[in-house]
Amino acid sequence: NAGVTQTPKFRILKIGQSMTLQCTQDMNHNYMYWYRQDPGMGLKLIYYSVGAGITDKGEVPNGYNVSRSTTEDFPLRLELAAPSQTSVYFCASSYPQGTTNEKLFFGSGTQLSVL
Amino acid sequence: QQQVKQSPQSLIVQKGGISIINCAYENTAFDYFPWYQQFPGKGPALLIAIRPDVSEKKEGRFTISFNKSAKQFSLHIMDSQPGDSATYFCAAHNYGQNFVFGPGTRLSVLP
Repeated sequence: NAGVTQTPKFRILKIGQSMTLQCTQDMNHNYMYWYRQDPGMGLKLIYYSVGAGITDKGEVPNGYNVSRSTTEDFPLRLELAAPSQTSVYFCASSYPQGTTNEKLFFGSGTQLSVL
Repeated sequence: QQQVKQSPQSLIVQKGGISIINCAYENTAFDYFPWYQQFPGKGPALLIAIRPDVSEKKEGRFTISFNKSAKQFSLHIMDSQPGDSATYFCAAHNYGQNFVFGPGTRLSVLP
């Protein structure tokens, strides 16, 4: 059982370049999330999705886009990379909120540097 | 009101000692308070969680103490071990909303 799989693990981008961070889960979870983690700042929610075809902005969505065409996949797109987007990105999934199981399952992260 | 405060930022404890991490919140609508543990190079993983209808929850060496009137909750790690060295995040959640995470505490347990 793979859980939440993120690729790539590391990436260096030049300012202005674009890239897509991939995330897939095999637990048939409805909810999926993208977080960024910066030192001393905790986890900040970028975008989330409550099911295929439905996405919504989180706390820090500027500079990012997402899509959710299937239950399993939730890619995060950076269109014009900026140094402020240097961070560690985590994808997560969970059962629907309000159920007895509200556990977030995280991937192992993507470390992105924009130079 | 959506902020969760966490302290200390870092903590050094001797092996066998007690590690205590504190969190505070403002939003009284929060109804679920988990703690996540993160090892270097890994994603966070759920460690233990509590709901506000109880004041304490214990799982092995890990205990959450919850004070609803003070809007505070804390994680206690008894008999701390070097393998407990990690970053710990508290979080808060209420139905229909997303999780709000504290800034994290880096714990180092010295052998």
